[in-house]
Parts: sequence; C-alpha cells; structure tokens
Amino acid sequence: ETGVTQTPRHLVMGMTNKKSLKCEQHLGHNAMYWYKQSAKKPLELMFVYNFKEQTENNSVPSRFSPECPNSSHLFLHLHTLQPEDSALYLCASSPGQGPSYEQYFGPGTRLTVT
Amino acid sequence: TQLLEQSPQFLSIQEGENLTVYCNSSSVFSSLQWYRQEPGEGPVLLVTVVTGGEVKKLKRLTFQFGDARKDSSLHITAAQPGDTGLYLCAGANFGNEKLTFGTGTRLTIIP
Repeated sequence: ETGVTQTPRHLVMGMTNKKSLKCEQHLGHNAMYWYKQSAKKPLELMFVYNFKEQTENNSVPSRFSPECPNSSHLFLHLHTLQPEDSALYLCASSPGQGPSYEQYFGPGTRLTVT
Repeated sequence: TQLLEQSPQFLSIQEGENLTVYCNSSSVFSSLQWYRQEPGEGPVLLVTVVTGGEVKKLKRLTFQFGDARKDSSLHITAAQPGDTGLYLCAGANFGNEKLTFGTGTRLTIIP
C-alpha cells in the first residue's frame, strides 16, 4: 500500500472557491508536513504537525488553513486564493519531527487558481 | 534566509556519460540530504551526509559533503535513462528542525 497518498491529484479552482486538500499516511508516523513547490522557487515548508499539534507555521497567509485530526490525516483548507498560489502542494510524513528523520513524500496535488 | 544554490539548473546528456551536479551555500549545515523527484511524484530521499568531507556511494551515484559543510556534490557514473529527474539537495540547520531545500537540477538522460 502506498505510504503517503494525496487527493485530489489535480485541482482547478476560482479565486472565490473553497476547497480542501487531503493527505493520508499509512506508515505510523507522528509528524506530517505541507510543502509548496512552485516552478521557479525552492521547495517551501508551509506547516508542520507533530503528534497532531502544529509546531511550525512558516508565515503562511491565512487563506491556507491546515487541519490535523489525527496522526494519519492532514488537510489543507483553501479559500480566496490568488493566481500566484498555483503550485504543486506536497504532503510528507516522518517518524518524528526533525531532519534526522527521513521524510516520505506523497505525489502532490497540482493546484491551478484561475 | 539561507539559500542553497544548485548548478546546473538544467542538464541533458547522453546515456553512458558521467555528470556532476553541485549544491552550494554560504551557510554551514549540520547535515545535507539529496532527493530525486520524478515527474508526477514527490521527492524520494537518496542519501544523508553528516560529516564534513564524507563520501557516500549508492551504486553509480557518489555523494560528497564539503569539508566546511557548506556544499555538496552528486556524481553519476554511466548515466541511464532511469536517472532522469529533478535532483534536490536539502540542508539541515543547526539548532532548529527545518530543512532548507535547494533550487534543484533537472536532469535528462537521452537514450
């Protein structure tokens, strides 16, 4: 079974829409991450959760709202996005938080904001 | 803000050739990781180097961490089409839990 799954794989939304991205990990990990990957910028960390508690918010605009109901699931709620928010959104998980733990990435959700 | 510059940004070579890609920074890192990302997938960790000057080999891939822990290189011998992908380096900062990702090298191996 695939370790980290993300749905949907592709999403097109208008600037006034509200949508949610879902991430699920089947690895028994305690830490989960949201990253943004844009075409011409390095991979950017957005949020980190460890044991369901948010431990990192990397100055992300409030139009992105994360939710972690349990250690296996992570959501990213989107509302009133801007065209520059179009990107690949990657979820990752690791046994614990920190670079000494290997992060396992999902395949990403390709988001287009029109 | 720490920055990891990777070079070249794009590289396209014939199957069987050798290549080296670089990851450079003015900052010192406690460890450095290399990932490969294939189209439609997330990055997959290839290796972590921890000690300055460390060299690690993974089949045809050789990774080196600079003595000063500010830079790293990835050398591929006899490249194969399966090596095609986006190669990312990521440095771990002393004292916090964050990884800083590099700008990436997009590698294409032509059969």
